[in-house]
Amino acid sequence: QKEVEQDPGPLSVPEGAIVSLNCTYSNSAFQYFMWYRQYSRKGPELLMYTYSSGNKEDGRFTAQVDKSSKYISLFIRDSQPSDSATYLCAMSGVSGTYKYIFGTGTRLKVLA
Amino acid sequence: GAVVSQHPSWVICKSGTSVKIECRSLDFQATTMFWYRQFPKQSLMLMATSNEGSKATYEQGVEKDKFLINHASLTLSTLTVTSAHPEDSSFYICSASDRGQPQHFGDGTRLSIL
Repeated sequence: QKEVEQDPGPLSVPEGAIVSLNCTYSNSAFQYFMWYRQYSRKGPELLMYTYSSGNKEDGRFTAQVDKSSKYISLFIRDSQPSDSATYLCAMSGVSGTYKYIFGTGTRLKVLA
Repeated sequence: GAVVSQHPSWVICKSGTSVKIECRSLDFQATTMFWYRQFPKQSLMLMATSNEGSKATYEQGVEKDKFLINHASLTLSTLTVTSAHPEDSSFYICSASDRGQPQHFGDGTRLSIL
């Protein structure tokens, strides 16, 4: 079993839809949870950074962490074609400077 | 804020040559830098972690003599692929972090060895 599981997709949704992206993990030591967006042939861009359980909102993005279920989610409201990218979850057990464990990434396509 | 610049973005070279890739944090001090390799449609594979002024820590299976990492200042790290061969062709990405803050990534370098 991988430490972090993420559905690879691809996930296709119509413009304006609410998108739900998820990761599950097995290591209860993870404390820091990140979501990155990666466009083709570019480096990952940090979208959300959360510590421990709870919700965090930033514009159209909401990150949720449920440590009891070892499950994290990223919601995208009012999705746009420009949101079409690969979304990577990442986790770390210690501080943010420690190495991350990444999910395999979910490819999202938002159709105009 | 938190901009990481990586250069070059694309390099093509002959087999047997060495290639140097630079990673710079432009608006923050990068106490820790990471180097990753990414194959098409796959996630990031960590190659090594470096702290400013210290030797890099390499992941298992990564040849330290093949992939030389230098982190001489708080804003610059370099990865040198020595005696590169076609199997070293890949997308190399660096990231940087400042004391407990999340990692910020460069835009990657596409390396093609002929």
